Amino acid sequence: RKEVEQDPGPFNVPEGATVAFNCTYSNSASQSFFWYRQDCRKEPKLLMSVYSSGNEDGRFTAQLNRASQYISLLIRDSKLSDSATYLCVVGAGSYQLTFGKGTKLSVIP
Amino acid sequence: NAGVTQTPKFQVLKTGQSMTLQCAQDMNHNSMYWYRQDPGMGLRLIYYSASEGTTDKGEVPNGYNVSRLNKREFSLRLESAAPSQTSVYFCASSVSVATPLEFFGPGTRLTVL
Repeated sequence: RKEVEQDPGPFNVPEGATVAFNCTYSNSASQSFFWYRQDCRKEPKLLMSVYSSGNEDGRFTAQLNRASQYISLLIRDSKLSDSATYLCVVGAGSYQLTFGKGTKLSVIP
Repeated sequence: NAGVTQTPKFQVLKTGQSMTLQCAQDMNHNSMYWYRQDPGMGLRLIYYSASEGTTDKGEVPNGYNVSRLNKREFSLRLESAAPSQTSVYFCASSVSVATPLEFFGPGTRLTVL
């Protein structure tokens, strides 16, 4: 079975801190990589796609290491509103996605 | 533009009862999906419809049937509910199976007693 592994956390960080999550995947043929965020009792929301060259969206930076089969998400200057569960998702097409169980982040005032 | 809508939001069934979960999207997307999310597990694909008129099994199709009624609507049916089907069900849509899965519905929380 294709696996996506994440540290479940929780990560408890103060406002303004930098926090990083890692995710490893087992299927070396994977072609698509994403981070989603999911608030408590809500639907997942696409945060960002992850590209081989790495990509940044404001305070969020995602990196992909194909050789080691891991993906990372860095959040800088954490806000209270960043508190959520972050899902690592790997696949090849939207019908072939494997979702990780998620990493819970709590940003503390 | 409502995005992806699901009904009902909550449902309690007794073992053996049947029900249909409804999903609709108003973004003219070709592809639609049904996922389930259980505590301590990642989302798992039940069925998907790559385009109107087609449906295919996902990772966990047993105990479910689907209907792609038209381009907008994709329903999930439980013919004889079992306690193992207690879960949160999410419908999702995308422009195609080759584009990111960007839009999820708000979910249906189903409990089977």
